[in-house]
Amino acid sequence: RKEVEQDPGPFNVPEGATVAFNCTYSNSASQSFFWYRQDCRKEPKLLMSVYSSGNEDGRFTAQLNRASQYISLLIRDSKLSDSATYLCVVNRFTGNQFYFGTGTSLTVIP
Amino acid sequence: DGGITQSPKYLFRKEGQNVTLSCEQNLNHDAMYWYRQDPGQGLRLIYYSQIVNDFQKGDIAEGYSVSREKKESFPLTVTSAQKNPTAFYLCAVGQRSKGGYGYTFGSGTRLTVV
Repeated sequence: RKEVEQDPGPFNVPEGATVAFNCTYSNSASQSFFWYRQDCRKEPKLLMSVYSSGNEDGRFTAQLNRASQYISLLIRDSKLSDSATYLCVVNRFTGNQFYFGTGTSLTVIP
Repeated sequence: DGGITQSPKYLFRKEGQNVTLSCEQNLNHDAMYWYRQDPGQGLRLIYYSQIVNDFQKGDIAEGYSVSREKKESFPLTVTSAQKNPTAFYLCAVGQRSKGGYGYTFGSGTRLTVV
């Protein structure tokens, strides 16, 4: 089983829509959780960390459910500039290795 | 500006050739990582180094070699033993942030075998 699994999409949504991405991780020892954004042919960039209590950054909300080993990202009022691939990332402090999902592709349509 | 610099941006390798990808950082971070990204496969760890003069194999180290003689530099050599080297190579440093321990990536090197 993969360490991190994501629905690859693609998700094609109209501007202004709300879209949610889900991610599951297999190892209960995972300690830190992140969402990264990757634009076409560019490097991934940190979008936001994910906290157990849930956290929000403007139009973006991240949730973590440790019991179900599930992470989500909600984007409200989608903009054209949100079009990208969103990577779910988990980290275990042991060995300090990060594990990446394959990414979920989002295209926001005018 | 503080950051990570990868060079070159594009690299073409002939069959049987070794090539070296550069990764330099001035963020003063101890931990550095090399990943490979292929379409539909996500990022896979090649090598990582948590301190100068020490490095560890990742999940797909075969056909690659690294060195860590200076804190600022972590070059990756793609040897002729790597049978399918065409990919996007990303160097990262690890840094502690509010949410835990996160990565900052360089802008990447696209390697193509010709």
